[in-house]
Amino acid sequence: ETGVTQSPTHLIKTRGQQVTLRCSSQSGHNTVSWYQQALGQGPQFIFQYYREEENGRGNFPPRFSGLQFPNYSSELNVNALELDDSALYLCASHLQVSSGANVLTFGAGSRLTVL
Amino acid sequence: GESVGLHLPTLSVQEGDNSIINCAYSNSASDYFIWYKQESGKGPQFIIDIRSNMDKRQGQRVTVLLNKTVKHLSLQIAATQPGDSAVYFCADETGTASKLTFGTGTRLQVTL
Repeated sequence: ETGVTQSPTHLIKTRGQQVTLRCSSQSGHNTVSWYQQALGQGPQFIFQYYREEENGRGNFPPRFSGLQFPNYSSELNVNALELDDSALYLCASHLQVSSGANVLTFGAGSRLTVL
Repeated sequence: GESVGLHLPTLSVQEGDNSIINCAYSNSASDYFIWYKQESGKGPQFIIDIRSNMDKRQGQRVTVLLNKTVKHLSLQIAATQPGDSAVYFCADETGTASKLTFGTGTRLQVTL
């Protein structure tokens, strides 16, 4: 089975620009979550998508938005980039089940640098 | 707000010794805890998890202990190997399924 793949792996943007990050979830997984990991910190939850709809959101402003497609792949869009948006953006997928633990499978991340 | 934190930012152990990584959590409503390992240039990798109705769970060379009285979680790695060198995160899940709150992380350095 394939894992979670993210693109691009690295990118550099300037303040005020917009960025789109992409994620292909693991085969069989129907739910995708996005996390922001600043240097030296733990990942912070941005939002989750299930059945193409946002299913929970962390403490991030509306300029962070996302999409999930019928094939369960996903995009993270960030508008009006700020310097503090520089981070590793992680995508994680899992199969949503009604009971039991939902073990997340993470991708390697997209490293965004905002200058 | 609620937080999951770690006691030690860096832990150095000799190859073959046992490692213990500690974590404190603040949300008494947390019902699911997970340990992740993150190697340089990679995303977090699941190691082991534990539900709040358990005190201990064992995996291959790893054991997680949960003390709900003092809100403390630990990860024990037996016979630590160079490949165990990484940053280890504890995380908890409360409410929204699969929304995890991560701690800052502990860097484990294995010396030869």
